[in-house]
Amino acid sequence: KAGVTQTPRYLIKTRGQQVTLSCSPISGHRSVSWYQQTPGQGLQFLFEYFSETQRNKGNFPGRFSGRQFSNSRSEMNVSTLELGDSALYLCASRRGGTDTQYFGPGTRLTVL
Amino acid sequence: DQQVKQNSPSLSVQEGRISILNCDYTNSMFDYFLWYKKYPAEGPTFLISISSIKDKNEDGRFTVFLNKSAKHLSLHIVPSQPGDSAVYFCAASEGTGGFKTIFGAGTRLFVKA
Repeated sequence: KAGVTQTPRYLIKTRGQQVTLSCSPISGHRSVSWYQQTPGQGLQFLFEYFSETQRNKGNFPGRFSGRQFSNSRSEMNVSTLELGDSALYLCASRRGGTDTQYFGPGTRLTVL
Repeated sequence: DQQVKQNSPSLSVQEGRISILNCDYTNSMFDYFLWYKKYPAEGPTFLISISSIKDKNEDGRFTVFLNKSAKHLSLHIVPSQPGDSAVYFCAASEGTGGFKTIFGAGTRLFVKA
C-alpha cells in the first residue's frame, strides 16, 4: 500500500508571497492532519480534515488555511508569507476510527 | 502553552545499554499516548502507544510506561542499537479518534557503537 505523499518536497518563496502544499493520504484514509515542525518547537498542529470538513484547528493565524477534496487529498495554503513560516510542513493521514497517524516525508518551505 | 513536554532535547547512550526517554503532560483529559520516531528527511513513524487504562505496553525492545498520577510517561529501549539514533516525539490525545494529537518538542537520541 502506498504511503502518504507530499508535493513539492522543497520550496523557496519570498516574503509576501503565498504557497500551496499538497498531500495525498494512504488509500482508504479519510482523515488528514497538517503539522508545522520547527527546531525546538516539535510538531505544532495546524488543522485536521475529515470527509472534506475541518474537524480540528490549532492556534495558527488565518493566513494558514486548508481544504480537503472528495478523494481525501488535502491542500494547505499559506498567504502573505513571513520569514517565521520557514519550516517543515508535515501531513499525516489515518482511518477515521484510530489514532495512529501515518506521516508523509514533509515539504521543506524556506521563506527569504 | 506546552501541554506535552520533553525536557531533554538530546540523549546519548552506548550501544547495548538502555535508553530512557521521558515525557510529561499537563492535560488530565489526555487518555491516549503515542511515541513516534523520526529520521532526517523522513516523516515521523509510529512506534508504540498506550491507553490510560494501562500502565505499561511492550513491543519487542520498546516499552512505554505511564504514570497517570505524575502525568508522566517514558519510553525504554533495550538494548539500544545504532539504528535507533533518531528524534523521538511523545504525543498525547483525548480519545483514540477524532481529537487533535499534541506533540512534544522531541528528544534526539544518539546511540554510540
